[in-house]
Amino acid sequence: TQLLEQSPQFLSIQEGENLTVYCNSSSVFSSLQWYRQEPGEGPVLLVTVVTGGEVKKLKRLTFQFGDARKDSSLHITAAQPGDTGLYLCAGVNNAGKSTFGDGTTLTVKP
Amino acid sequence: ETGVTQTPRHLVMGMTNKKSLKCEQHLGHNAMYWYKQSAKKPLELMFVYNFKEQTENNSVPSRFSPECPNSSHLFLHLHTLQPEDSALYLCASSTAGTSEYGYTFGSGTRLTVV
Repeated sequence: TQLLEQSPQFLSIQEGENLTVYCNSSSVFSSLQWYRQEPGEGPVLLVTVVTGGEVKKLKRLTFQFGDARKDSSLHITAAQPGDTGLYLCAGVNNAGKSTFGDGTTLTVKP
Repeated sequence: ETGVTQTPRHLVMGMTNKKSLKCEQHLGHNAMYWYKQSAKKPLELMFVYNFKEQTENNSVPSRFSPECPNSSHLFLHLHTLQPEDSALYLCASSTAGTSEYGYTFGSGTRLTVV
């Protein structure tokens, strides 16, 4: 079974601060996805990273896939209350099957 | 309507009741999924359908019975559930056979078993 560990589990910061959340595994993935889930809603896909070392930017969000394709990070610059939510990573194996991490709950206080 | 639509949004049922959850997508996807999301646990994959055929059942108890009449619709029939089955049930769709390009999730059904 491929396991994905996300850290920290909970994060509470003030508006304007920067933060990084991590997604780690001992397994190699063919790609990795990040989702954000707001209360009462389903997860929404933010990005898919495919190549080891790849960096993708989505406005204030920067996603990086580890060189060995076993880990990933999400960095948010100047966090805003609208960034509040549960951030989930999901690793996809060679068979196209996904494994989800247990998530990081982010609260950004105004 | 675009995206993945789930109904009902909330459901309270007794342990002896029978109810069904419905999921509908108009994205042209050919794979549909049921996931269970419980507090402090990763998303648990329950069932996978590709082109209406069930291709995965992750040891789900028989009190959960899926049905996929076509590539756009997915149901989850519930009967004699237990309180520990209370959770958010999420439907998702993707291009056939793979989650490589990501899932599109519905908003979920919040199920409470009393």
